[in-house]
Amino acid sequence: ETGVTQTPRHLVMGMTNKKSLKCEQHLGHNAMYWYKQSAKKPLELMFVYNFKEQTENNSVPSRFSPECPNSSHLFLHLHTLQPEDSALYLCASSPAGALDNSPLHFGNGTRLTVT
Amino acid sequence: KQEVTQIPAALSVPEGENLVLNCSFTDSAIYNLQWFRQDPGKGLTSLLLIQSSQREQTSGRLNASLDKSSGRSTLYIAASQPGDSATYLCAVGGAQKLVFGQGTRLTINP
Repeated sequence: ETGVTQTPRHLVMGMTNKKSLKCEQHLGHNAMYWYKQSAKKPLELMFVYNFKEQTENNSVPSRFSPECPNSSHLFLHLHTLQPEDSALYLCASSPAGALDNSPLHFGNGTRLTVT
Repeated sequence: KQEVTQIPAALSVPEGENLVLNCSFTDSAIYNLQWFRQDPGKGLTSLLLIQSSQREQTSGRLNASLDKSSGRSTLYIAASQPGDSATYLCAVGGAQKLVFGQGTRLTINP
């Protein structure tokens, strides 16, 4: 049990589908993150939320739409994706923001395949 | 723009050996440096976090050092075990948030 739970673990979707990834943290943290991990590339930060407010959008295409209804839940809504968007999507949390000098806690990720 | 490099990309050693993983970064204006472990198909587990004012951190058989002026960090693993087999990533915390290296895939052979 990592304290950060991501569902689903695996997702296969066509380019015209709409789907959502869910992340839930049980650690009482106030910052949540979406990262993308592609083969042979470093982890890429996508979005950061601090106290439910988006504080970072790392030039992510609009076909990825994050939502943070409260400090414990984070969603990533997906629509009209491209095959190159296939990757492992990781959610993470920390007590309060990226500069609070606390380690990030990661979920096990959602393996997304776009066909 | 911060860039983080990890060398080697892969390493295979016999069980029981002591080993060192390397991480280098281009911008020394950092807040912290973190080492993570990632098992296949899993998320990342935080191993050690070194704040910018610190030189090293230790946890069990792991020791991480930080030299900001030279832009380097090392992760030392003592008496390696097969269970240490995983990918090890370093990440530098700064104004651009956490920037990750590509990782070193470590295999410990029984």
